Amino acid sequence: NAGVMQNPRHLVRRRGQEARLRCSPMKGHSHVYWYRQLPEEGLKFMVYLQKENIIDESGMPKERFSAEFPKEGPSILRIQQVVRGDSAAYFCASSPPDKGVYNEQFFGPGTRLTVL
Amino acid sequence: QKEVEQNSGPLSVPEGAIASLNCTYSDRGSQSFFWYRQYSGKSPELIMSIYSNGDKEDGRFTAQLNKASQYVSLLIRDSQPSDSATYLCAVNRLRIYNQGGKLIFGQGTELSVKP
Repeated sequence: NAGVMQNPRHLVRRRGQEARLRCSPMKGHSHVYWYRQLPEEGLKFMVYLQKENIIDESGMPKERFSAEFPKEGPSILRIQQVVRGDSAAYFCASSPPDKGVYNEQFFGPGTRLTVL
Repeated sequence: QKEVEQNSGPLSVPEGAIASLNCTYSDRGSQSFFWYRQYSGKSPELIMSIYSNGDKEDGRFTAQLNKASQYVSLLIRDSQPSDSATYLCAVNRLRIYNQGGKLIFGQGTELSVKP
């Protein structure tokens, strides 16, 4: 019974390159959340998606960041033209459908992004 | 005022003692509350969820919720060195049923259990 899967686990990019982070939710889960943890800071919500829909993107930076969760395949968090300030751990979490306020979110191992 | 506040610690307790971790939140509309444990360099691991006022026990862990005081706590009995980690309090301010909801995290409390 696999948990939330993320890849790559570590990603190094030079300034100006693109970063693509992937997340496959737990089996039976249809809600995906992305969080970012900057060094010495807490976990911050970025975006919440269901299949083919962005439900809440209130935590996404206005520029360079986008997310999708297609009908088939993993959820993708895409960061264009990365800057050093994007260096962080990016965590994906998933939760089952139809739980409403009682949804428990389970986290993947994270992707550590380093921008040189 | 931060939406979810925790003492950053470190909180140091001797092995076998009770560790008490506290969290306050600002939004009275918050409906569900979670405690996560995060070891250094690892991802958060869900250890407790609580939705109603009162206590909820699971093994050595007890979560306590007081919505009137906007206060959540986590007690760890018989603390072990392996419990040494950062404990994150998270709050869900869901407004629309059946649409999950984002978690708002506190800064975390670092717990150190000394042998």
